Amino acid sequence: QKEVEQNSGPLSVPEGAIASLNCTYSDRGSQSFFWYRQYSGKSPELIMFIYSNGDKEDGRFTAQLNKASQYVSLLIRDSQPSDSATYLCAVNRVTDKLIFGTGTRLQVFP
Amino acid sequence: DAGVIQSPRHEVTEMGQEVTLRCKPISGHDYLFWYRQTMMRGLELLIYFNNNVPIDDSGMPEDRFSAKMPNASFSTLKIQPSEPRDSAVYFCASTSSGGSSETQYFGPGTRLLVL
Repeated sequence: QKEVEQNSGPLSVPEGAIASLNCTYSDRGSQSFFWYRQYSGKSPELIMFIYSNGDKEDGRFTAQLNKASQYVSLLIRDSQPSDSATYLCAVNRVTDKLIFGTGTRLQVFP
Repeated sequence: DAGVIQSPRHEVTEMGQEVTLRCKPISGHDYLFWYRQTMMRGLELLIYFNNNVPIDDSGMPEDRFSAKMPNASFSTLKIQPSEPRDSAVYFCASTSSGGSSETQYFGPGTRLLVL
């Protein structure tokens, strides 16, 4: 079992819709959870992080964490074609290093 | 404020040659990470440093890979000898323990092709 699992996609959504990206992790000791966005040919950039159970909102983005189910998700409201990218979920345990999933490719079509 | 700087941006070399990748972290950051990204394996942590000291090198694939951080503003990742399976994008990232310590800032990457 991979430490951090994501569906590779592609996830295709129409412009204006809500995109829902999901991630599960295996280590119950995980403490911090991150979503990075990576455009093709570019480096990952942080979108959001979440530490506590529940929802955290930042503009069009909402991160949701459920530690009991070992599940973290990212919702993108009013999806735009510019949101088309690969979204990487990352998990931090007690050390300083992040464990990344392989990413979900999102396609937003006009 | 400059971000993480990596050089070269692209490298094409022949199998058996030595390859050296360079990274300059963001000034003031005390953590530096080296990652490798491939389609098959995604983004993998190779090694990371704290205050110039290697903390965890368990991701380094084999003895052909080595990394150094002689000072707070410079790190190298060396592959000797290189093999075609080393072809990947290598990212350097840095962060600070003083703020959002887990927010890693990535450099633009070095695209390595070993023929």
